[in-house]
Amino acid sequence: GQSLEQPSEVTAVEGAIVQINCTYQTSGFYGLSWYQQHDGGAPTFLSYNGLDGLEETGRFSSFLSRSDSYGYLLLQELQMKDSASYFCAVRDDKIIFGKGTRLHILP
Amino acid sequence: DAGITQSPRHKVTETGTPVTLRCHQTENHRYMYWYRQDPGHGLRLIHYSYGVKDTDKGEVSDGYSVSRSKTEDFLLTLESATSSQTSVYFCAIRTDTGELFFGEGSRLTVL
Repeated sequence: GQSLEQPSEVTAVEGAIVQINCTYQTSGFYGLSWYQQHDGGAPTFLSYNGLDGLEETGRFSSFLSRSDSYGYLLLQELQMKDSASYFCAVRDDKIIFGKGTRLHILP
Repeated sequence: DAGITQSPRHKVTETGTPVTLRCHQTENHRYMYWYRQDPGHGLRLIHYSYGVKDTDKGEVSDGYSVSRSKTEDFLLTLESATSSQTSVYFCAIRTDTGELFFGEGSRLTVL
């Protein structure tokens, strides 16, 4: 089976940096993805790590360590519009999501 | 725009009635997925399809069936809806690079 663990909530200040961690246990693994979902909306793709290391896309970065079954999403220069839920997801044929991390941003 | 639409977007039904949700894509992608989303549970995979007539179960498949007779359509059926199936249902297509693009969701209420 597959399971993913991520914090249920994280709070940070506008302009700061926040890291959302994800640990996983899977029977099959191609890579780790991250998705963002605003209230009332559909999830949207943010990033994917198929190999160990850091992937950077603008203010967002994602990291993967296969040996530790661990990854994180790093959000820099936080803006109020980044207030949303963030999901990690394990990719093989079945794409399984964590329960999500609600990011609260304080002005 | 990934070219994926869900219908109906909202539905209210009664316990015991059958319900079918439709997911339609215009992108010709092989993989399609149905998820349900409930508070505190994130997105849970119900069923997925890896081609026409090729489907497999996900994490929470009990009470649900699916069919894919054409590449563009993936149907989710609740044979006899129960109140526990009140949820928001998302369909997604998987691109060649592995990203999921989601439909706008279908909100189902079972009374």
